[in-house]
Amino acid sequence: TQLLEQSPQFLSIQEGENLTVYCNSSSVFSSLQWYRQEPGEGPVLLVTVVTGGEVKKLKRLTFQFGDARKDSSLHITAAQPGDTGLYLCAGVEAGGTSYGKLTFGQGTILTVHP
Amino acid sequence: SQTIHQWPATLVQPVGSPLSLECTVEGTSNPNLYWYRQAAGRGLQLLFYSVGIGQISSEVPQNLSASRPQDRQFILSSKKLLLSDSGFYLCAYTSPFGTDTQYFGPGTRLTVL
Repeated sequence: TQLLEQSPQFLSIQEGENLTVYCNSSSVFSSLQWYRQEPGEGPVLLVTVVTGGEVKKLKRLTFQFGDARKDSSLHITAAQPGDTGLYLCAGVEAGGTSYGKLTFGQGTILTVHP
Repeated sequence: SQTIHQWPATLVQPVGSPLSLECTVEGTSNPNLYWYRQAAGRGLQLLFYSVGIGQISSEVPQNLSASRPQDRQFILSSKKLLLSDSGFYLCAYTSPFGTDTQYFGPGTRLTVL
């Protein structure tokens, strides 16, 4: 059973469209990160959210952390071809001694066509 | 500033040969260090983590081992590679003074033939 369910797994859209990626769990997380990864490279951090209900904006990207800290979403407005890549959510479970271990979602492969 | 290095970038090895992948971190002391393996275009699976020199925890049973001979050095090894060891290996660290945010190295693409 996947601790973090990320959806959709694949997303193919036209330039200018909006999209949302979801990350859901039955577990509570002390923090949740979103990463973007290009082929053959390591994931690059986009944002970390730590407070339930938190909303963070990074240019055309909007990140939300659920009130109960069990889910998160990434919304991209007016997608561009440069947004193409693998998007990963990852969280640290709340409680106990986790040593900062991240649990990753399965990833969303986004393709934005010009 | 903090940086993380991995080498080699790519590696092609025959089945049964040994493996040594290296990861080093600069600009921070006593980081937590992590080794992940990633299947093509998918999420990451945690293999090992370390909270200090000589302290290694394994997350999944496998043909690999890890060592931390120095504070900012993390090594992934195998005595005899299997075909199933092929993949993209990523090293990551967290700063002991910050949040749980992990920062990743550039990765090593391992192909076992």
